[in-house]
Amino acid sequence: DTAVSQTPKYLVTQMGNDKSIKCEQNLGHDTMYWYKQDSKKFLKIMFSYNNKELIINETVPNRFSPKSPDKAHLNLHINSLELGDSAVYFCASSQRSGRGTQYFGPGTRLTVL
Amino acid sequence: AQSVSQHNHHVILSEAASLELGCNYSYGGTVNLFWYVQYPGQHLQLLLKYFSGDPLVKGIKGFEAEFIKSKFSFNLRKPSVQWSDTAEYFCAVNGGTSYGKLTFGQGTILTVHP
Repeated sequence: DTAVSQTPKYLVTQMGNDKSIKCEQNLGHDTMYWYKQDSKKFLKIMFSYNNKELIINETVPNRFSPKSPDKAHLNLHINSLELGDSAVYFCASSQRSGRGTQYFGPGTRLTVL
Repeated sequence: AQSVSQHNHHVILSEAASLELGCNYSYGGTVNLFWYVQYPGQHLQLLLKYFSGDPLVKGIKGFEAEFIKSKFSFNLRKPSVQWSDTAEYFCAVNGGTSYGKLTFGQGTILTVHP
């Protein structure tokens, strides 16, 4: 009965490759997010979707493209991976169009070699 | 832009000691405030939250936090820590023009020695 799930948990890849991370929530929430946690553990929002519509897009390179096929899923596709993309990526969801408590997934540790 | 500041990067305590972790934020309007905990190798879990009402909020595992609007603070407290409280603690704010966007502090690592 996992609330927010992400796959894969670990992702190791070479520079220049394209990869995707998937996120699903079964909480019935209307808003989903992607956060990046860097090597110093600092968490920063990347994107937010409400009912499949993009509502927050922080200054993120356009190599990162989120896609929300429905309000329970928010995937993150990354093109032309760079060393600096190595981080832990957390998906989260909330109700009340972003004003509610955000619940986080287990994270995906991406390592770019 | 909002910012969140956590005063201590690393706190080391012995079991049964009392804990207070500081958190200050920059936005002066209506805010929602949160403390999350990240145990080693695990994801973020909500400890407690403040939306409105009583400024003293109680969370899970014996934690509490006090919202002091005049000081823009939301400090986390626990009267007696346990070894299992060893983790990293994050303060976060959601408010103002940034509704939906959680702004996190830098995190405080708590190490509790048995």
